[in-house]
Amino acid sequence: AQSVSQHNHHVILSEAASLELGCNYSYGGTVNLFWYVQYPGQHLQLLLKYFSGDPLVKGIKGFEAEFIKSKFSFNLRKPSVQWSDTAEYFCAVNLGSSYKLIFGSGTRLLVRP
Amino acid sequence: NAGVTQTPKFRVLKTGQSMTLLCAQDMNHEYMYWYRQDPGMGLRLIHYSVGEGTTAKGEVPDGYNVSRLKKQNFLLGLESAAPSQTSVYFCASSYWSGITNYGYTFGSGTRLTVV
Repeated sequence: AQSVSQHNHHVILSEAASLELGCNYSYGGTVNLFWYVQYPGQHLQLLLKYFSGDPLVKGIKGFEAEFIKSKFSFNLRKPSVQWSDTAEYFCAVNLGSSYKLIFGSGTRLLVRP
Repeated sequence: NAGVTQTPKFRVLKTGQSMTLLCAQDMNHEYMYWYRQDPGMGLRLIHYSVGEGTTAKGEVPDGYNVSRLKKQNFLLGLESAAPSQTSVYFCASSYWSGITNYGYTFGSGTRLTVV
């Protein structure tokens, strides 16, 4: 069955540290890839998305992600995190022409001042 | 503001009671979804709809029913609530062009507790 894996369930960083959150999916065909963020008590907001073209995608709030097709990965990065980045981050994948969005289990990020 | 609106925001039910969650979107999206979010499990798809009058099962459909009588509304029903259905429920809608999805818009969620 198709799946999305996020390797880090909890990450704790100090402000100004660099961030990389892993995301891998199991599907060999065409995919649409997304990263969502959920701030405490709020709904999901789209950080960035990849459909085709340049595999390095830039999103909002200084986040970026790189699609590596050979590794089935779409890792999220930020060079310098802020306290306000404390949230839960979800990787999600559309598989081929499926209308369903499959989510990873999420990564809780805590940024200490 | 355009978007996805969910009602109610909070609800407490007793085991065996029924209720309906309403989702409304004003973006003219064809596709609508209901997810549940549980700690450590991400979001799991309950049911979805690819257009008015259509519905389909997702990953965890048991115990839920849905209806899409109007394009802008997607209702999620619990006929006989169980404690295992305690969760946060999110509705979403999306726009597709061919096989490209342009992103999902999520509602603010409904926190449901079944006691």
